[in-house]
Order: sequence, then structure tokens, then C-alpha cells
Amino acid sequence: SQKIEQNSEALNIQEGKTATLTCNYTNYSPAYLQWYRQDPGRGPVFLLLIRENEKEKRKERLKVTFDTTLKQSLFHITASQPADSATYLCALYLYGGSQGNLIFGKGTKLSVKP
Amino acid sequence: DTGVSQDPRHKITKRGQNVTFRCDPISEHNRLYWYRQTLGQGPEFLTYFQNEAQLEKSRLLSDRFSAERPKGSFSTLEIQRTEQGDSAMYLCAVRLGDNEQFFGPGTRLTVL
Repeated sequence: SQKIEQNSEALNIQEGKTATLTCNYTNYSPAYLQWYRQDPGRGPVFLLLIRENEKEKRKERLKVTFDTTLKQSLFHITASQPADSATYLCALYLYGGSQGNLIFGKGTKLSVKP
Repeated sequence: DTGVSQDPRHKITKRGQNVTFRCDPISEHNRLYWYRQTLGQGPEFLTYFQNEAQLEKSRLLSDRFSAERPKGSFSTLEIQRTEQGDSAMYLCAVRLGDNEQFFGPGTRLTVL
């Protein structure tokens, strides 16, 4: 069956450390993968997109990797801050899939303690 | 400029009642999407519009659900004869470049 799994429903880390979130998928062939941030009671906010032919993407303190052999993406937040506390969602866009609809994982809730 | 507003932000209704939600992008976007999100889950695709044409519906969109985008700008999502299982956050999104999606704040529906 097709699955997207974001390891750890919750991740607690200390301020200043690097947070690493994982997104694994099975039986999908995504054209690309996106990461979103969602705060309680709000809609998701787009952070980064990485294509199947890209290994790594960076944006400020954020870094995403994409390994199509392992069927895995890692999302890193360096020098984490309490303001980074939120739920982070990965989403797959599929080849031959509907125009722009995304398949989302359940998300990982990140808490950064001061 | 990009922005999406949704109205209402919260809706409490009794089982069996009909409800309608509205999504207003502040500028023109060809593609508009509706998602449903329940607690602890990611957003689930419901339906999608290319301008005023509804191009795809998820199997989650039962006969009680209908969506429209009459002029290719705002969109409405109606649920008839609501059930408790319809309680969720309903999210609207527009597509930006590179298939990035810009989400509205959502409408939280509670069916009693």
C-alpha cells in the first residue's frame, strides 16, 4: 500500500540544537517533495521544495535532502529557536497525479525549549 | 500579492443542517484547491478547480458535498445534511509557481 510516514509524532529539542525531521514514503514516485510549517489553528505555510534530481536544498537555517533510492527526505533546522516550534508537514507531488494536489504526511510536532 | 481569506473561521452546527464555506483569493489564481484536515492528520485533498472548471474530486467528497467557483475567483464548499464525521478544518489553497500552494486560515467545522 502507499504510505507517507513522518517519523516521530513529536520531537523535543533544546534551543540552539539542530532539529532533524524525517519523511519516508513507500510505493510512490514523487516528482518532488515539499515541506510546510503549520501553527495551531492556521493553514500550512510553504517552506521548501526539492525535486527528484536534487540532493539538497537550503534556505537560511533550513536544509532539505531528498534520497529517491531510500525514498526519504530529511528536513533540518539549524540553530533552532523557540519560534520554530510548530508542526512540520511533508507533501509529495506525484508524476501523473492530479494537477497540483499534494499527498501530505501526518506531520511532526516540533517543540524547541529555551 | 498573495493572500487567501476564508469565511467563516469557525462554524458550529447541528447534525443534519447544511453549511456553506467561502474562500476568497485576493488576486487571480487559476488553480484553487479544497482540503480537509482532522486532528493529528495532514490535509487531505477534496477537490480542485482550474478557473471555474472543477477538474477533480476526491473519493472523500461524498454526494453531500458540492463545490463551486462560478467566476473563477472565489469558491464555495457546501455540505448538506452534516454528520459528526464532517467535523474538521476545511482549508482552501491557491497554486503559486512551482506547484507551491498558499493556504488560507481554514474554517473549523464542529457538528454537534
